[in-house]
Amino acid sequence: AQTVTQSQPEMSVQEAETVTLSCTYDTSESDYYLFWYKQPPSRQMILVIRQEAYKQQNATENRFSVNFQKAAKSFSLKISDSQLGDAAMYFCAYATKSSGDKLTFGTGTRLAVRP
Amino acid sequence: NAGVTQTPKFQVLKTGQSMTLQCAQDMNHEYMSWYRQDPGMGLRLIHYSVGAGITDQGEVPNGYNVSRSTTEDFPLRLLSAAPSQTSVYFCASSYWASKETQYFGPGTRLLVL
Repeated sequence: AQTVTQSQPEMSVQEAETVTLSCTYDTSESDYYLFWYKQPPSRQMILVIRQEAYKQQNATENRFSVNFQKAAKSFSLKISDSQLGDAAMYFCAYATKSSGDKLTFGTGTRLAVRP
Repeated sequence: NAGVTQTPKFQVLKTGQSMTLQCAQDMNHEYMSWYRQDPGMGLRLIHYSVGAGITDQGEVPNGYNVSRSTTEDFPLRLLSAAPSQTSVYFCASSYWASKETQYFGPGTRLLVL
């Protein structure tokens, strides 16, 4: 079974600083996709960034970037220049077509941003 | 586009009652799914559908039924509500779950007494 592990239940960062959220996953597949979703207090799930496993280049989206280490099965999210609006729950997720195209989520990391 | 809509936003049920959570999308997505979110457990897949007339079970299907008669709608039925089904329920849709962005609805908060 595929599993996604987020070992940091809570993190805190000073506004304008950088923070890294950790995620590891377990799979025997070679072709898969990894995601980071943000859930603010409104509960709306918002896609932050997506990485395709066959791509060696790390995905970036403005202030958000990932460090994808395929051999280590690690997929961390770096948030640069943190803003108050970044405060939210962040979920790491994994999907592969061979598993029925289903998303498997980690348990989440709650990020607080200190002004 | 309205995106993914869910009704109701909040519902209180008594143990043993049945109800249907509605989900609709107007993006012509083939893939739709239902998740439940419980504290400390992230989102867990209940049921999913890869197209009209096709449904399959996810990680936690017991106590729930689904059907997909149209591309747009994917209702989730609770047959006999139990307190363990108290949760927040999210519907999501996409062209492909693994390759494409999944769009989530705003969620339905369900309390079973």
